[in-house]
Amino acid sequence: EPEVTQTPSHQVTQMGQEVILRCVPISNHLYFYWYRQILGQKVEFLVSFYNNEISEKSEIFDDQFSVERPDGSNFTLKIRSTKLEDSAMYFCASSEMDRVGTEAFFGQGTRLTVV
Amino acid sequence: KQEVTQIPAALSVPEGENLVLNCSFTDSAIYNLQWFRQDPGKGLTSLLLIQSSQREQTSGRLNASLDKSSGRSTLYIAASQPGDSATYLCAVQAGTALIFGKGTTLSVSS
Repeated sequence: EPEVTQTPSHQVTQMGQEVILRCVPISNHLYFYWYRQILGQKVEFLVSFYNNEISEKSEIFDDQFSVERPDGSNFTLKIRSTKLEDSAMYFCASSEMDRVGTEAFFGQGTRLTVV
Repeated sequence: KQEVTQIPAALSVPEGENLVLNCSFTDSAIYNLQWFRQDPGKGLTSLLLIQSSQREQTSGRLNASLDKSSGRSTLYIAASQPGDSATYLCAVQAGTALIFGKGTTLSVSS
């Protein structure tokens, strides 16, 4: 069964460093997303991406964050100058189409720990 | 601003019981509603998707209903098993984003 794959599963970084989280969405999907979940809190939307551009972003997704689809299979989230409060589980998701009828499929997540 | 609330926050039942998890949302202008399962420290597994024009969806022992006008959804789990122990998340789609509730943590004892 097709699945969304995320690497690494766990990343530890020092405060102020840049990290890149990687995702391989399901191959025939057109929409890609990043979400995050701080320990004990709700899953929060960060950004959606379609046709090589951002479709929608939340208030969380500020200039510290960027996304890219560097090739035909990968989708990345870059976090610049990481802060302690960026520690969270980051989930990548993909869906075949937007809006009605969309079922989003999530990866297993990358646990980011900023020390 | 869309808010999603799930009640109860936690639920413990003996094996074999039928149970209902509740989800409510404040803005009825949604495209669809999706139920997920999350095991501790793991990703989200999609269980059921209900489109805004639908009233319910079924998959095995799971049945989800949607009453968009009242802003409510329920997830019914029949004949619960210890393997059903997990956190169940409800999410509504508004725009391209899924807005999640905090989840109901279910524990099924054998």
